[in-house]
Amino acid sequence: AQTVTQSQPEMSVQEAETVTLSCTYDTSENNYYLFWYKQPPSRQMILVIRQEAYKQQNATENRFSVNFQKAAKSFSLKISDSQLGDTAMYFCAFMKQRNSGGSNYKLTFGKGTLLTVNP
Amino acid sequence: EAGVAQSPRYKIIEKRQSVAFWCNPISGHATLYWYQQILGQGPKLLIQFQNNGVVDDSQLPKDRFSAERLKGVDSTLKIQPAKLEDSAVYLCASSFNRANTDTQYFGPGTRLTVL
Repeated sequence: AQTVTQSQPEMSVQEAETVTLSCTYDTSENNYYLFWYKQPPSRQMILVIRQEAYKQQNATENRFSVNFQKAAKSFSLKISDSQLGDTAMYFCAFMKQRNSGGSNYKLTFGKGTLLTVNP
Repeated sequence: EAGVAQSPRYKIIEKRQSVAFWCNPISGHATLYWYQQILGQGPKLLIQFQNNGVVDDSQLPKDRFSAERLKGVDSTLKIQPAKLEDSAVYLCASSFNRANTDTQYFGPGTRLTVL
Protein backbone atom coordinates (compact mmCIF):
# COMPACT_ATOMS: atom_id res chain seq x y z
CA ALA A 1 0.00 0.00 0.00
CA GLN A 2 1.08 3.53 -0.69
CA THR A 3 1.64 6.05 2.08
CA VAL A 4 2.09 9.81 1.92
CA THR A 5 3.69 11.72 4.78
CA GLN A 6 3.55 15.45 5.37
CA SER A 7 5.70 16.13 8.40
CA GLN A 8 4.75 19.79 8.87
CA PRO A 9 1.23 20.13 10.33
CA GLU A 10 1.43 23.92 10.25
CA MET A 11 3.61 26.56 8.66
CA SER A 12 3.54 30.32 8.33
CA VAL A 13 5.21 32.78 5.98
CA GLN A 14 5.26 36.50 5.48
CA GLU A 15 3.59 37.94 2.42
CA ALA A 16 5.94 38.12 -0.60
CA GLU A 17 8.36 35.59 0.86
CA THR A 18 9.05 32.02 -0.26
CA VAL A 19 7.98 28.89 1.59
CA THR A 20 8.57 25.18 0.98
CA LEU A 21 6.19 22.42 2.05
CA SER A 22 7.56 18.90 2.45
CA CYS A 23 6.13 15.60 1.32
CA THR A 24 7.54 12.10 1.25
CA TYR A 25 5.89 8.95 0.00
CA ASP A 26 6.44 5.24 -0.01
CA THR A 27 5.66 3.00 -2.94
CA SER A 28 6.99 0.07 -4.89
CA GLU A 29 5.41 1.36 -8.09
CA ASN A 30 7.50 2.80 -10.89
CA ASN A 31 4.73 4.57 -12.80
CA TYR A 32 2.73 7.06 -10.82
CA TYR A 33 1.75 10.70 -10.45
CA LEU A 34 2.12 13.16 -7.60
CA PHE A 35 -0.12 16.12 -6.88
CA TRP A 36 -0.40 19.09 -4.60
CA TYR A 37 -3.95 20.16 -3.82
CA LYS A 38 -4.98 23.34 -2.00
CA GLN A 39 -8.03 23.50 0.25
CA PRO A 40 -8.93 27.03 1.38
CA PRO A 41 -11.29 27.60 4.30
CA SER A 42 -14.25 27.35 1.86
CA ARG A 43 -13.19 23.66 1.55
CA GLN A 44 -13.15 23.49 -2.25
CA MET A 45 -10.18 21.26 -3.10
CA ILE A 46 -8.21 22.82 -5.95
CA LEU A 47 -5.38 21.26 -7.96
CA VAL A 48 -2.17 23.27 -7.62
CA ILE A 49 0.36 21.24 -9.53
CA ARG A 50 0.97 17.78 -10.94
CA GLN A 51 4.14 15.77 -11.58
CA GLU A 52 4.56 12.65 -13.67
CA ALA A 53 7.08 10.24 -12.16
CA TYR A 54 8.65 9.45 -15.53
CA LYS A 55 9.57 13.10 -16.08
CA GLN A 56 12.88 14.29 -14.68
CA GLN A 57 11.98 17.94 -15.12
CA ASN A 58 10.26 19.51 -12.14
CA ALA A 59 6.77 20.86 -12.78
CA THR A 60 6.06 24.58 -12.42
CA GLU A 61 2.83 26.59 -12.43
CA ASN A 62 3.41 30.33 -12.11
CA ARG A 63 4.52 30.91 -8.48
CA PHE A 64 4.31 27.22 -7.62
CA SER A 65 7.07 24.73 -8.32
CA VAL A 66 8.05 21.30 -7.07
CA ASN A 67 11.31 19.57 -6.22
CA PHE A 68 10.76 15.95 -7.21
CA GLN A 69 13.43 13.52 -6.02
CA LYS A 70 12.31 10.10 -7.23
CA ALA A 71 15.10 8.08 -5.62
CA ALA A 72 14.50 9.77 -2.27
CA LYS A 73 10.72 9.57 -2.74
CA SER A 74 10.42 13.23 -1.95
CA PHE A 75 8.05 15.77 -3.48
CA SER A 76 8.21 19.28 -1.99
CA LEU A 77 6.19 22.32 -3.02
CA LYS A 78 7.75 25.77 -3.24
CA ILE A 79 5.54 28.83 -3.22
CA SER A 80 7.28 32.01 -4.32
CA ASP A 81 6.06 35.55 -3.63
CA SER A 82 3.47 34.26 -1.16
CA GLN A 83 0.09 35.99 -1.23
CA LEU A 84 -2.65 36.23 1.38
CA GLY A 85 -4.85 34.09 -0.86
CA ASP A 86 -2.38 31.24 -0.54
CA THR A 87 -3.57 30.67 3.03
CA ALA A 88 -5.02 27.16 2.97
CA MET A 89 -4.50 23.53 3.82
CA TYR A 90 -2.15 21.91 1.33
CA PHE A 91 -2.36 18.21 0.59
CA CYS A 92 0.22 16.07 -1.13
CA ALA A 93 -1.31 13.14 -3.00
CA PHE A 94 -0.08 10.04 -4.80
CA MET A 95 -1.77 8.22 -7.64
CA LYS A 96 -0.71 4.88 -9.06
CA GLN A 97 -2.05 2.95 -11.96
CA ARG A 98 -4.50 0.46 -10.56
CA ASN A 99 -3.89 -2.21 -13.17
CA SER A 100 -1.73 -2.49 -16.22
CA GLY A 101 -4.60 -2.47 -18.67
CA GLY A 102 -6.78 0.26 -17.28
CA SER A 103 -6.73 3.90 -16.47
CA ASN A 104 -8.50 3.83 -13.12
CA TYR A 105 -6.53 5.68 -10.52
CA LYS A 106 -6.80 6.02 -6.74
CA LEU A 107 -5.56 9.11 -4.90
CA THR A 108 -3.80 8.60 -1.57
CA PHE A 109 -3.52 11.81 0.44
CA GLY A 110 -1.21 12.97 3.21
CA LYS A 111 -2.64 14.57 6.34
CA GLY A 112 -2.01 18.07 5.06
CA THR A 113 -0.05 21.18 6.01
CA LEU A 114 -1.89 24.29 7.13
CA LEU A 115 -0.15 27.27 5.58
CA THR A 116 -0.84 30.76 6.88
CA VAL A 117 0.40 33.78 4.97
CA ASN A 118 0.81 36.80 7.24
CA PRO A 119 0.52 40.40 6.02
CA GLU B 1 -17.12 24.81 -17.76
CA ALA B 2 -19.26 23.99 -14.72
CA GLY B 3 -17.48 22.22 -11.88
CA VAL B 4 -18.52 19.30 -9.72
CA ALA B 5 -21.78 20.09 -7.93
CA GLN B 6 -22.77 18.68 -4.55
CA SER B 7 -25.76 19.08 -2.29
CA PRO B 8 -26.57 19.73 0.41
CA ARG B 9 -23.58 21.76 1.62
CA TYR B 10 -24.36 21.11 5.27
CA LYS B 11 -26.39 18.48 7.11
CA ILE B 12 -26.99 17.89 10.79
CA ILE B 13 -28.67 14.67 11.91
CA GLU B 14 -28.94 12.55 15.00
CA LYS B 15 -27.27 9.16 15.29
CA ARG B 16 -29.22 6.27 13.82
CA GLN B 17 -30.91 8.57 11.31
CA SER B 18 -30.43 8.28 7.55
CA VAL B 19 -28.88 10.81 5.20
CA ALA B 20 -28.20 11.07 1.47
CA PHE B 21 -25.77 13.19 -0.51
CA TRP B 22 -25.94 14.04 -4.18
CA CYS B 23 -23.18 14.68 -6.70
CA ASN B 24 -23.23 15.86 -10.31
CA PRO B 25 -19.81 15.47 -11.98
CA ILE B 26 -18.25 17.61 -14.67
CA SER B 27 -19.93 16.92 -17.99
CA GLY B 28 -18.21 14.12 -19.87
CA HIS B 29 -16.27 12.79 -16.90
CA ALA B 30 -16.62 9.01 -16.83
CA THR B 31 -15.06 8.42 -13.42
CA LEU B 32 -16.65 9.57 -10.17
CA TYR B 33 -15.22 9.30 -6.67
CA TRP B 34 -16.62 9.73 -3.16
CA TYR B 35 -14.15 10.64 -0.42
CA GLN B 36 -14.59 10.99 3.33
CA GLN B 37 -12.53 13.71 5.01
CA ILE B 38 -12.48 13.61 8.79
CA LEU B 39 -11.40 16.82 10.49
CA GLY B 40 -7.62 17.14 10.53
CA GLN B 41 -7.03 14.37 8.00
CA GLY B 42 -6.65 13.99 4.28
CA PRO B 43 -9.52 12.63 2.21
CA LYS B 44 -9.99 8.87 2.10
CA LEU B 45 -11.55 7.15 -0.89
CA LEU B 46 -14.88 5.46 -0.15
CA ILE B 47 -15.95 4.37 -3.62
CA GLN B 48 -15.00 4.87 -7.26
CA PHE B 49 -17.33 4.50 -10.24
CA GLN B 50 -16.39 4.04 -13.86
CA ASN B 51 -19.52 5.13 -15.75
CA ASN B 52 -22.20 3.30 -13.72
CA GLY B 53 -20.02 0.41 -12.55
CA VAL B 54 -18.14 0.17 -9.26
CA VAL B 55 -14.34 0.02 -9.65
CA ASP B 56 -13.30 0.15 -6.00
CA ASP B 57 -15.43 0.08 -2.85
CA SER B 58 -12.94 -1.67 -0.60
CA GLN B 59 -13.04 1.09 2.03
CA LEU B 60 -16.79 1.62 2.00
CA PRO B 61 -18.47 0.44 5.26
CA LYS B 62 -21.06 -1.58 3.41
CA ASP B 63 -23.14 -2.36 6.48
CA ARG B 64 -24.24 1.27 6.60
CA PHE B 65 -23.00 3.08 3.49
CA SER B 66 -24.33 2.62 -0.02
CA ALA B 67 -23.78 4.48 -3.27
CA GLU B 68 -25.13 4.35 -6.76
CA ARG B 69 -24.54 6.06 -10.05
CA LEU B 70 -27.52 5.43 -12.26
CA LYS B 71 -27.09 6.21 -15.97
CA GLY B 72 -23.41 6.94 -15.41
CA VAL B 73 -23.86 10.61 -14.50
CA ASP B 74 -25.24 11.74 -11.10
CA SER B 75 -24.43 9.80 -7.96
CA THR B 76 -25.90 9.50 -4.50
CA LEU B 77 -24.17 8.36 -1.31
CA LYS B 78 -26.36 7.17 1.55
CA ILE B 79 -25.65 6.45 5.20
CA GLN B 80 -28.15 4.34 7.13
CA PRO B 81 -27.99 4.36 10.11
CA ALA B 82 -25.50 7.13 10.88
CA LYS B 83 -22.98 6.91 13.70
CA LEU B 84 -21.16 9.67 15.54
CA GLU B 85 -17.90 8.76 13.78
CA ASP B 86 -19.49 9.48 10.40
CA SER B 87 -19.18 13.21 11.11
CA ALA B 88 -16.97 14.42 8.29
CA VAL B 89 -16.91 16.27 5.00
CA TYR B 90 -17.95 14.10 2.07
CA LEU B 91 -16.22 15.09 -1.12
CA CYS B 92 -17.20 14.11 -4.61
CA ALA B 93 -14.65 14.22 -7.43
CA SER B 94 -14.67 13.37 -11.10
CA SER B 95 -12.12 12.75 -13.82
CA PHE B 96 -12.16 12.40 -17.57
CA ASN B 97 -10.49 9.00 -17.46
CA ARG B 98 -8.18 9.72 -20.34
CA ALA B 99 -4.92 7.83 -20.08
CA ASN B 100 -2.07 9.79 -18.50
CA THR B 101 -4.23 12.80 -17.68
CA ASP B 102 -6.57 11.42 -15.05
CA THR B 103 -6.60 14.48 -12.81
CA GLN B 104 -9.43 14.55 -10.31
CA TYR B 105 -11.56 17.67 -9.83
CA PHE B 106 -13.39 18.11 -6.55
CA GLY B 107 -16.76 19.52 -5.56
CA PRO B 108 -17.30 21.81 -2.56
CA GLY B 109 -18.22 18.95 -0.26
CA THR B 110 -21.04 18.20 2.17
CA ARG B 111 -20.27 18.75 5.84
CA LEU B 112 -22.12 16.14 7.92
CA THR B 113 -22.54 16.48 11.66
CA VAL B 114 -23.96 13.51 13.55
CA LEU B 115 -25.21 14.35 17.06
